[in-house]
Amino acid sequence: QKEVEQNSGPLSVPEGAIASLNCTYSDRVSQSFFWYRQYSGKSPELIMSIYSNGDKEDGRFTAQLNKASQYVSLLIRDSQPSDSATYLCAVNIRNTDKLIFGTGTRLQVFP
Amino acid sequence: GAVVSQHPSWVICKSGTSVKIECRSLDFQATTMFWYRQFPKQSLMLMATSNEGSKATYEQGVEKDKFLINHASLTLSTLTVTSAHPEDSSFYICSASKLGQAPHFGNGTRLTVT
Repeated sequence: QKEVEQNSGPLSVPEGAIASLNCTYSDRVSQSFFWYRQYSGKSPELIMSIYSNGDKEDGRFTAQLNKASQYVSLLIRDSQPSDSATYLCAVNIRNTDKLIFGTGTRLQVFP
Repeated sequence: GAVVSQHPSWVICKSGTSVKIECRSLDFQATTMFWYRQFPKQSLMLMATSNEGSKATYEQGVEKDKFLINHASLTLSTLTVTSAHPEDSSFYICSASKLGQAPHFGNGTRLTVT
């Protein structure tokens, strides 16, 4: 089992819709979870971080964490074509600052 | 604004030569920085952890003699790809984090070895 798993997509949603991106992880001890957005040819950009169970909202983005199910998700409301990118889920390795990345989900928002 | 600066953004070199990539934390001290490599359509793979004042910690399968890391100060880490070959062509990215904050990435360096 991969340490961090994501559906590679592409996930296609119409403009204005909600995009739901999912990620599962294997290490139960992980405490820090991050979502990064990466445009083609660019480095990842931090979107959200979440550390405790529940929802965390920031503008159009909501991160959801369920440690019991080892599941973290990212919801993007009112999706825009400019949101089209690859979204990377990252989880810290126990007791370190190291991050393990999923393979990323490619999101396509069409007008 | 950017909190981590990486230079150069791209470099083309001949096979057998060495290339140095710099990663700087801006306005904060980073005792630890991380180096990643990303091949096309793949995710980021952690190569090594750069520790200020001590040797880098390499991930399994990463040749430490080929990828030399020097964390010369609390704001600068360098990655030198020695005797580069075409298969080393990739996107190299560093990251660092302010205390208690999520890691931020440099803009990356696209290396092409001809």
